[in-house]
Amino acid sequence: DIQMTQSPSSLSASVGDRVTITCQASQDISNYLNWYQQKPGKAPKLLIYDASNLETGVPSRFSGSGSGTDFTFTISSLQPEDIATYYCQQYDNLITFGQGTRLEIK
Amino acid sequence: QLQLQESGPGLVKPSETLSLTCTVSGGSISSSSYYWGWIRQPPGKGLEWIGSIYYSGSTYYNPSLKSRVTISVDTSKNQFSLKLSSVTAADTAVYYCARRPGGIDAFDIWGQGTMVTVSS
Repeated sequence: DIQMTQSPSSLSASVGDRVTITCQASQDISNYLNWYQQKPGKAPKLLIYDASNLETGVPSRFSGSGSGTDFTFTISSLQPEDIATYYCQQYDNLITFGQGTRLEIK
Repeated sequence: QLQLQESGPGLVKPSETLSLTCTVSGGSISSSSYYWGWIRQPPGKGLEWIGSIYYSGSTYYNPSLKSRVTISVDTSKNQFSLKLSSVTAADTAVYYCARRPGGIDAFDIWGQGTMVTVSS
């Protein structure tokens, strides 16, 4: 099984800050990685697919990068509506999610 | 616009079988471009993929659940279903159904989720 490790598990930042979340795969997954945003009581929402491609309609302040085992998700300027939990997900071998990163406003 | 809606009992007894259905509206489940999946989330915890199915019926499952899971599709009703046998309290979770386009291999449309509690 491919394990996905996200860090940090929680994060507090101020509006306007640049926020970065990392996701590490237990083996090479090329660019087979997606990022989701989940707000409380809601279903997850796809933000980034194939490591760096922005889903249609998602604001450009969200971005992703990386390949192989190390990936990064960035919010260039944090907005109040970005408060959520973020998950990475690999699909190189079946499907596995990271444990999530809870983002709060400072 | 495509929508997914989960339905099924909200309470299941231990050792029994959990059965949920996902109804697809606004589009056809038989499109060759999509897979359909089930994902769950225990209260306060992260997401766990359960399994996925193609409209033709081919399936693949999470190895940790494979012995207890069956996912099937009914193209005549535009639905796909989940059965999870021998449930325990650890199976208590919000269960989501979702669409996965083959082109981007990500879950791009999700149902709202349905809470299933395993308790006697």
